[in-house]
Amino acid sequence: GQNIDQPTEMTATEGAIVQINCTYQTSGFNGLFWYQQHAGEAPTFLSYNVLDGLEEKGRFSSFLSRSKGYSYLLLKELQMKDSASYLCAVPFNAGNMLTFGGGTRLMVKP
Amino acid sequence: ETGVTQTPRHLVMGMTNKKSLKCEQHLGHNAMYWYKQSAKKPLELMFVYSLEERVENNSVPSRFSPECPNSSHLFLHLHTLQPEDSALYLCASSQDHGGPYGYTFGSGTRLTVV
Repeated sequence: GQNIDQPTEMTATEGAIVQINCTYQTSGFNGLFWYQQHAGEAPTFLSYNVLDGLEEKGRFSSFLSRSKGYSYLLLKELQMKDSASYLCAVPFNAGNMLTFGGGTRLMVKP
Repeated sequence: ETGVTQTPRHLVMGMTNKKSLKCEQHLGHNAMYWYKQSAKKPLELMFVYSLEERVENNSVPSRFSPECPNSSHLFLHLHTLQPEDSALYLCASSQDHGGPYGYTFGSGTRLTVV
């Protein structure tokens, strides 16, 4: 089966760095996705990791450790617009049907 | 239009009504999905279609009935719903269902059952 855990809520200050963790258990690993969802809007794709290590994309980076079943999303130079929910997801059935974690609601304060 | 479009954005319906949600994608994708997003719960996969054939039905009650007439359109027909079915219903598409391709989501239909 699939099990994905991430913190429910986090608060950080504008300009700071925040790390959002995700642990997963899955039979057959086929990569891990991160999505961003602003309130009342569609989730949007942020990153995809299938190999161990850090993938950097501007202010956002995503890390994966397959042996530990662990990923994190790192957000640098936080801006108020980064206040959103961040969803961790893994495919199951060796296909593309994604199972999502409950999401981490990030609040950025001035 | 580009991307994934869902209509209506908001829907209020009684428990005896019949309504349909519509999803349309203009990305040339072959797979489409329905997800349910309830407050404080993870996104739940409901249905998956690949090349207009249903490949996954995730134990969804029969009061939800999907239809995929072609690879660009996906419907969710609703009848005799319960108040606990109130949620945000998200449609998504991807290049294929058989590989790790990212989803493009629509903005969702906010459904309230009264």
